[in-house]
Amino acid sequence: DAGVTQSPTHLIKTRGQQVTLRCSPISGHKSVSWYQQVLGQGPQFIFQYYEKEERGRGNFPDRFSARQFPNYSSELNVNALLLGDSALYLCASSLSLGNTGELFFGEGSRLTVL
Amino acid sequence: GNSVTQMEGPVTLSEEAFLTINCTYTATGYPSLFWYVQYPGEGLQLLLKATKADDKGSNKGFEATYRKETTSFHLEKGSVQVSDSAVYFCALFRSARQLTFGSGTQLTVLP
Repeated sequence: DAGVTQSPTHLIKTRGQQVTLRCSPISGHKSVSWYQQVLGQGPQFIFQYYEKEERGRGNFPDRFSARQFPNYSSELNVNALLLGDSALYLCASSLSLGNTGELFFGEGSRLTVL
Repeated sequence: GNSVTQMEGPVTLSEEAFLTINCTYTATGYPSLFWYVQYPGEGLQLLLKATKADDKGSNKGFEATYRKETTSFHLEKGSVQVSDSAVYFCALFRSARQLTFGSGTQLTVLP
């Protein structure tokens, strides 16, 4: 069975540009969460989506946005990129909204901002 | 707010050595506690969990006990293998639909 898949795996952008990252959850999983992992740190929560609605948001600026599609896949958008946005962006899925912290993570999209 | 403090790494051990990675937390109420592991080139994977005080989570020879009195969830393994080399993250889940992670501990096991 396919796990959580993310694309692209690596990308390089320059300051001020915009980026879109994509995620496909495990089949049957309806909840998708996004985390940012800066080098040397633990993942930080950005968003959770369930049934196409935002159900949770971490302490990130409005430059970060996301959406979930009817097939439960999701996109994370970051506008006006800053050098500090360079990180590994992780997508995680779970069966339902009331997840207990048991998340299934993808391998991530590594973003470098120059 | 919720937070997790992990033993700083990196940690280097010889094969068959005993492993302890310390983790303490701050949270209101009664969080669920987790250890996630990130092998080189792979995504985070759930290693073990405990949902209430005095619970012991275990998997692949690793164990951790939820100690409410010391707000700790230390990870232990009696005999590590080279294949255990990875980054280990302690995390808690309380509310607001998010996991709160520690900063991670890099473990390298030498043959």
